[in-house]
Amino acid sequence: NAGVTQTPKFRVLKTGQSMTLLCAQDMNHEYMYWYRQDPGMGLRLIHYSVGEGTTAKGEVPDGYNVSRLKKQNFLLGLESAAPSQTSVYFCASTAWAEVGDTQYFGPGTRLTVL
Amino acid sequence: AQSVTQLDSQVPVFEEAPVELRCNYSSSVSVYLFWYVQYPNQGLQLLLKYLSGSTLVKGINGFEAEFNKSQTSFHLRKPSVHISDTAEYFCAVSPLRQGAQKLVFGQGTRLTINP
Repeated sequence: NAGVTQTPKFRVLKTGQSMTLLCAQDMNHEYMYWYRQDPGMGLRLIHYSVGEGTTAKGEVPDGYNVSRLKKQNFLLGLESAAPSQTSVYFCASTAWAEVGDTQYFGPGTRLTVL
Repeated sequence: AQSVTQLDSQVPVFEEAPVELRCNYSSSVSVYLFWYVQYPNQGLQLLLKYLSGSTLVKGINGFEAEFNKSQTSFHLRKPSVHISDTAEYFCAVSPLRQGAQKLVFGQGTRLTINP
């Protein structure tokens, strides 16, 4: 049982390049989330999904797209990377989104955009 | 909308000393409250959470937190810290409603334990 895994762990992009971050969970969770973590700002929600085939915007969605084609996977895409997207990206999942369910986090992806 | 303020960005303490990490929140609706911990180069994991009932909540690794509704605070405490408690601690809230649990995090407090 690996929990929540993220691929890749590190990546360096040039401005304008595109990439996809993969999040996978083996806990059969319905809900999945993408956050970015920046120094002094905590974590901010980018997009989330309440089930297979669904996605919704979070607090800071601009410049990102997501897809949830399979229940266990949640992809985060950057179509044209910008230096402002340099950050650490975390994926999380919950079984259900009620009654203060615990979010389980992946180990993170450190992205640098030059 | 909700907001969370962690009053200290860094807290240095000596090993075996007590520690308190402060968290205040603002919300127009009732919320659940959480403390998450991030050890170096790892993801976040839950320390404890307040959903309802007793305002004193006990979590893992000897941590506890007290919910104070009138002061809109949820401070985290430990009576005696260890070197292994060195980490960044995040306070977060989530509104009580159906749908996705959209956590709002504070800025984080970096706890450094000195021998």
